[in-house]
Amino acid sequence: AQSVTQLGSHVSVSEGALVLLRCNYSSSVPPYLFWYVQYPNQGLQLLLKYTTGATLVKGINGFEAEFKKSETSFHLTKPSAHMSDAAEYFCAVSRNTGNQFYFGTGTSLTVIP
Amino acid sequence: EPEVTQTPSHQVTQMGQEVILRCVPISNHLYFYWYRQILGQKVEFLVSFYNNEISEKSEIFDDQFSVERPDGSNFTLKIRSTKLEDSAMYFCASSVWLAGGARSSYNEQFFGPGTRLTVL
Repeated sequence: AQSVTQLGSHVSVSEGALVLLRCNYSSSVPPYLFWYVQYPNQGLQLLLKYTTGATLVKGINGFEAEFKKSETSFHLTKPSAHMSDAAEYFCAVSRNTGNQFYFGTGTSLTVIP
Repeated sequence: EPEVTQTPSHQVTQMGQEVILRCVPISNHLYFYWYRQILGQKVEFLVSFYNNEISEKSEIFDDQFSVERPDGSNFTLKIRSTKLEDSAMYFCASSVWLAGGARSSYNEQFFGPGTRLTVL
């Protein structure tokens, strides 16, 4: 079975500070891992994904995430927060192509000027 | 850039009424999905659809729900008799499936902007 845990439903950072959003997963098979962002009143936009290969993946808007199998984690980071990063972030895991996504409960990121 | 579209963006209905939510997946995609997000909660899987039949469904997807691909472009979710607890944002998604594809060729799901369903 697959599941995702996002620690911290709300995270606040100052503009220019490091962003760290935590995601841990459980999966019975090697997972496919994703981070999506949702801006107010909008749909889900893919930030980045891990399928295979390099464990550090880079996404859009300066975000990156590292797949750590030993820790079953896929934390999302950005070196310097921008006001436009304020949004809801969802971590998701999938078993295989064509299979459902399992989403975490989301983390709301607030950026303080 | 191709995108998934959904109509309407907001639907208000009375409890007990039938609603149909419409989605146009990306044209060369073969897998289609519906998810829902109750306000303040996580996104939950409802159903996936491939080759004109349901391939996976969750416990949420009971007899009140049905999906259909009535033509070559639309993918619909029907709720036969809406309940208050059906109020949520409903997202459609689609993905390409590569037969025998390698792990590195995984195709992610592309999500539409959602339909906000309000049941009164």
